[in-house]
Amino acid sequence: DTAVSQTPKYLVTQMGNDKSIKCEQNLGHDTMYWYKQDSKKFLKIMFSYNNKELIINETVPNRFSPKSPDKAHLNLHINSLELGDSAVYFCASSLLDQDTEAFFGQGTRLTVV
Amino acid sequence: SQQGEEDPQALSIQEGENATMNCSYKTSINNLQWYRQNSGRGLVHLILIRSNEREKHSGRLRVTLDTSKKSSSLLITASRAADTASYFCATDVVDSSYKLIFGSGTRLLVRP
Repeated sequence: DTAVSQTPKYLVTQMGNDKSIKCEQNLGHDTMYWYKQDSKKFLKIMFSYNNKELIINETVPNRFSPKSPDKAHLNLHINSLELGDSAVYFCASSLLDQDTEAFFGQGTRLTVV
Repeated sequence: SQQGEEDPQALSIQEGENATMNCSYKTSINNLQWYRQNSGRGLVHLILIRSNEREKHSGRLRVTLDTSKKSSSLLITASRAADTASYFCATDVVDSSYKLIFGSGTRLLVRP
């Protein structure tokens, strides 16, 4: 009965590879997000989708491509991985209303070697 | 640039003491939220305070908001070892699109 689940939890891969992280929420929310948390714990929003439509893209390199097949899923595909992509990636969801909280997944620790 | 700056960056206290964390932000907000992150886990929502509210309580948590100073504080009273975590403030910015912008976080260590 996990609210926001993302897989895999850990991902170790070589530079240049392409990888995907999946996210699903069963809360009935209409908005989903991807955040990146770096080694200093800064959390930065990458993308936001509302009802499968992109509403925020925070100057993320186009090697990162989110895909939302339906409003319960938001996957993140990363091409040509670089060392600097190593971080923890969090998926989150919420209702697109003011004064509403976000629910986060457990995170995916990506290590590029 | 980060919207929120928190201080202190790290805080170490004895169990039973109170912990106070501060957050400053830059732009107008709809609300400010506090989240907690245990090591290796996702963020968990603690409390939300609207821009027209000045203080809010939830259990051992007390949040204040001063929009004139663009600052907020989180007070955890009678801390417990289980409160050890990182605490983040997040602002819902007045904008055409909804997004939460997070501060840099305060790492709290509560010593038994």
